Amino acid sequence: AQSVSQHNHHVILSEAASLELGCNYSYGGTVNLFWYVQYPGQHLQLLLKYFSGDPLVKGIKGFEAEFIKSKFSFNLRKPSVQWSDTAEYFCAVRSGGGADGLTFGKGTHLIIQP
Amino acid sequence: EAGVAQSPRYKIIEKRQSVAFWCNPISGHATLYWYQQILGQGPKLLIQFQNNGVVDDSQLPKDRFSAERLKGVDSTLKIQPAKLEDSAVYLCASSSRQGSTDTQYFGPGTRLTVL
Repeated sequence: AQSVSQHNHHVILSEAASLELGCNYSYGGTVNLFWYVQYPGQHLQLLLKYFSGDPLVKGIKGFEAEFIKSKFSFNLRKPSVQWSDTAEYFCAVRSGGGADGLTFGKGTHLIIQP
Repeated sequence: EAGVAQSPRYKIIEKRQSVAFWCNPISGHATLYWYQQILGQGPKLLIQFQNNGVVDDSQLPKDRFSAERLKGVDSTLKIQPAKLEDSAVYLCASSSRQGSTDTQYFGPGTRLTVL
């Protein structure tokens, strides 16, 4: 069975600080990896995804994530955060090559202080 | 392109009552998912449909939960009877299932409170 671990449940940063949110998964086969974001009062939106190829993927709003297969990790990064990045961030995994349901981590609540 | 629609947005019921949620996926999306998100946790898959057939319902508590997608478009999820621990946000998602590049798009969810 797949599982996803997000290391930090709550993160508080000041504007312009750099961000890295950790995500580790457990699954032995080929995986698809995702980061979703949920802004206050809004629904889950896709930030970025990895299926294959370049392990460094870029998403919307300046976010990027790096897939490190040897570490079973898919950490989310942003060099300079903004107040509008305040949201809940979820890492998710799915066995590769299909349209299976996603396995989510518990989420990280990110608060950016102006 | 219209997104995934869900209704109602909020529902409050007492334990042992029944409740139903509705979802209309993005037009043309063949795959539909229902997730349960309990406060403080990530969404958990309950059931997955491909057109009007069930692909995966291994995590659906079948003694009280049921779901259908009769015409392969919209779907309903029912809970009967509800328990306190069913309080959660119920999310619907859909995808077009274009091979390995499939991405799931989520609706706004229905927040259920069981008293």
